Amino acid sequence: ETGVTQTPRHLVMGMTNKKSLKCEQHLGHNAMYWYKQSAKKPLELMFVYNFKEQTENNSVPSRFSPECPNSSHLFLHLHTLQPEDSALYLCASSQEVSVAYEQYFGPGTRLTVT
Amino acid sequence: KNQVEQSPQSLIILEGKNCTLQCNYTVSPFSNLRWYKQDTGRGPVSLTIMTFSENTKSNGRYTATLDADTKQSSLHITASQLSDSASYICVVSGDFSGGYNKLIFGAGTRLAVHP
Repeated sequence: ETGVTQTPRHLVMGMTNKKSLKCEQHLGHNAMYWYKQSAKKPLELMFVYNFKEQTENNSVPSRFSPECPNSSHLFLHLHTLQPEDSALYLCASSQEVSVAYEQYFGPGTRLTVT
Repeated sequence: KNQVEQSPQSLIILEGKNCTLQCNYTVSPFSNLRWYKQDTGRGPVSLTIMTFSENTKSNGRYTATLDADTKQSSLHITASQLSDSASYICVVSGDFSGGYNKLIFGAGTRLAVHP
């Protein structure tokens, strides 16, 4: 275990549903991230949070809405998704937002949009 | 354009054999290079990290090399085990302005070790 947990591990939702993904880190880190991993494609950075403040939105559609209530928790709220949004969504954390610090990943949520 | 290319896309080897995975990058300015192992259905886990001045780094049966001049890295796995079956992802950090943790990910090499 890396110290980063994600729930649920699997999620199937229709295009009109609203759901949320949860991430929690137990490492005392200050930075948290959401990534999307589609089959045979590199990880795509979605959002970056530093001390609860969003510092980066990588041109993510508004149907994905992140929330970071504190440095240990990160949510990704989903609504009116498209089938192409089906992917593995990974949460990660690092001590600081800097290339010098290791990122620790959670196990991911496998999302299927029907 | 900042890119990380990995080869081969997939590889099958027999248990006990060695293998080498390749990573070429065009990221500039370069900060460091990481190799991650990702088991099916799990998140990536770091194997090695190398900065510009490091040529090689080992972690058990895993040995990574870096040639910053040619912008190439390799990951050598010795005496493979069934548990080595996973995707191996090369990740290059760029020292971009703003100080953000800009990681450029390769698409990975999927390794299958057969008995």
